[in-house]
Amino acid sequence: EVQLVQSGAEVKKPGESLKISCKGSGYSFTSYWIGWVRQMPGKGLEWMGIIYPGDSDTRYSPSFQGQVTISADKSISTAYLQWSSLKASDTAMYYCARQHDYGEGDYWGQGTLVTVSS
Amino acid sequence: DIQLTQSPSFLSASVGDRVTITCRASQGISSYLAWYQQKPGKAPKLLIYAASTLQSGVPSRFSGSGSGTEFTLTISSLQPEDFATYYCQQLNSYPRTFGGGTKVEIK
Repeated sequence: EVQLVQSGAEVKKPGESLKISCKGSGYSFTSYWIGWVRQMPGKGLEWMGIIYPGDSDTRYSPSFQGQVTISADKSISTAYLQWSSLKASDTAMYYCARQHDYGEGDYWGQGTLVTVSS
Repeated sequence: DIQLTQSPSFLSASVGDRVTITCRASQGISSYLAWYQQKPGKAPKLLIYAASTLQSGVPSRFSGSGSGTEFTLTISSLQPEDFATYYCQQLNSYPRTFGGGTKVEIK
């Protein structure tokens, strides 16, 4: 069974760093792109970027380029999303999703809620 | 970036109604479009990809059509479990943008 399991909710202060994770199982982790999607409170879905764990090829949305870093460790089938200096506006739910052949997100993680508040 | 405009942004319907949601792309995207359903507090669920291909396990009352710049998601007979927010996503080019969403509520 394909599963993506994300790390737990985080509460951070502005300026702090953070790395959240998404662990894949039940399929060949290195053969599918993994994408990250942001959903701010009460708002819609925003595509942040994707990574191919096989070779760490990464693509970012211009809106998020330079604001976050997407990485993966194929030895433990885990993708990451990280911030070096959080802002209050980073408060959101973050989802990872496996990208299937057409680019569609066919399996999703349960989401990681990130709250940034002083 | 390719912009996706969904309409309506909100609709009120009754169980058994036929519902159609439209997604318009700012430039041609062939058939590179997916539709998702999201319920409160849950991750999105893939319904349709390649504009009209039903994802495995999704009820046949859901269907998708269109190509180029105009696409539709149709629910042939709305069921209680279908009340949710629906999003389209273009898969033609990066960034793979989403539409703004359509919230389907009970009339």
